[in-house]
Amino acid sequence: GAVVSQHPSRVICKSGTSVKIECRSLDFQATTMFWYRQFPKQSLMLMATSNEGSKATYEQGVEKDKFLINHASLTLSTLTVTSAHPEDSSFYICSASGAGTDTQYFGPGTRLTVL
Amino acid sequence: AQKITQTQPGMFVQEKEAVTLDCTYDTSDQSYGLFWYKQPSSGEMIFLIYQGSYDEQNATEGRYSLNFQKARKSANLVISASQLGDSAMYFCAMRVASGTYKYIFGTGTRLKVLA
Repeated sequence: GAVVSQHPSRVICKSGTSVKIECRSLDFQATTMFWYRQFPKQSLMLMATSNEGSKATYEQGVEKDKFLINHASLTLSTLTVTSAHPEDSSFYICSASGAGTDTQYFGPGTRLTVL
Repeated sequence: AQKITQTQPGMFVQEKEAVTLDCTYDTSDQSYGLFWYKQPSSGEMIFLIYQGSYDEQNATEGRYSLNFQKARKSANLVISASQLGDSAMYFCAMRVASGTYKYIFGTGTRLKVLA
């Protein structure tokens, strides 16, 4: 299957700092990338969808000024959590899909802990 | 409303036995896709199997098969010959068209394979 990487896999930061998470499709061109958030023992919650070169579409209730998403190329999307607070601590997972396919391939996730 | 329902929070199965994980869905779309993903304790989401709404045959991928009953709006995952490595969280997801398409996930079923 297609390979998607995420970096970093784990990050601990102080409250008030910003954290950037990268999502890369390694062996295919990702026309669409998705960012999810997962709380412990819960399902994935879609935060936003981004198409290469376009502004991300955010789900209802997700603050676009807090969770900045950039999809600058067909292989890279970034999620920046700005002015992170402890309630932003979570597991963040990206996924990517290529043109002409419905299947999303997921990255390994990033565990964010805000102190 | 578009929704995925997984009614089994946890399941046990004896090694080498088959197990069925339930998934029902609700959508008014005529065209949709149904997916199953496995999430081991490491957190990565592993794609298992896909069923399109117009596919007449049930999807199969190795030990995984999808029991698709369109009239009942169910898409159950059958794992045959369970292995200890199958112990994980399993999520059913539905691709819906909403401008750009997106996935809706169920709440998941935790499967434990017993030796």
